[in-house]
Amino acid sequence: AQSVTQLDSQVPVFEEAPVELRCNYSSSVSVYLFWYVQYPNQGLQLLLKYLSGSTLVKGINGFEAEFNKSQTSFHLRKPSVHISDTAEYFCAVSPYSSASKIIFGSGTRLSIRP
Amino acid sequence: DTGVSQNPRHKITKRGQNVTFRCDPISEHNRLYWYRQTLGQGPEFLTYFQNEAQLEKSRLLSDRFSAERPKGSFSTLEIQRTEQGDSAMYLCASSLVHSTSAYQETQYFGPGTRLLVL
Repeated sequence: AQSVTQLDSQVPVFEEAPVELRCNYSSSVSVYLFWYVQYPNQGLQLLLKYLSGSTLVKGINGFEAEFNKSQTSFHLRKPSVHISDTAEYFCAVSPYSSASKIIFGSGTRLSIRP
Repeated sequence: DTGVSQNPRHKITKRGQNVTFRCDPISEHNRLYWYRQTLGQGPEFLTYFQNEAQLEKSRLLSDRFSAERPKGSFSTLEIQRTEQGDSAMYLCASSLVHSTSAYQETQYFGPGTRLLVL
C-alpha cells in the first residue's frame, strides 16, 4: 500500500519570499509522484509530475520539486511567491502497477501575506 | 471552456434521500474517475471507467453508491439513502490513455459537487 504525508497543514509566507512545501511518501513499489494545486472554488490542477529521469522537475507557475529516493521525499519549492499562489497544494503518488489510482496527501494550505 | 464539468455544484439533502451527480469529461477522454474529498483531507479514489467499463472500485464505495458511464461519455454517481457521513466534495476527473503509453496519464479534474446531508 502507498501513503503520502504532508506534515504542514498550513504554511504562511510573505509575498516574494521563498517557500518549500514538504511531502514524504511510503511505498513498497515504485511510484509516480505529483503535485496538484487547488485554487478556491476550482478543481485540482496538475503542477508537475515525476515519472523518471532527472530528479529535479519543473512545473507551471515557477514551481519545481525534487525527488529524493533515499529520503522518500518530493518537496515542492518556489523561489519567490505571489499573492496568486494562495491555494491548497496536494502531493500525490500512484504505483507503477496501478498507475490510474492516485493516492493524495491531506494537503497544505499556502497563504501569502502582502 | 472544454474542461471537465460537474452538476450540480452544490446539493443539500436530508438524510435518507437519494442524490445523483453528473460529470461530463473532456471530449475524447476515454477514462473517467470519481473521488471523494472530505474537509481537511485530500481526494480519495472511489472508482474509474475506461469507456463504458467500470474497471476498479474502492472499498470506500459502499453498496449505497453506484456509478455508471452508459455511453462512454458522461457519468453519473448516485448515492442511495444518504447519511450524514456522505457529506463531502465529490470530484470527477478524466484522462486520455493511449494503449501504447508507458507513462502515467494526466488526470484533469472538474470543480466538484459539494454535498451536505442534513
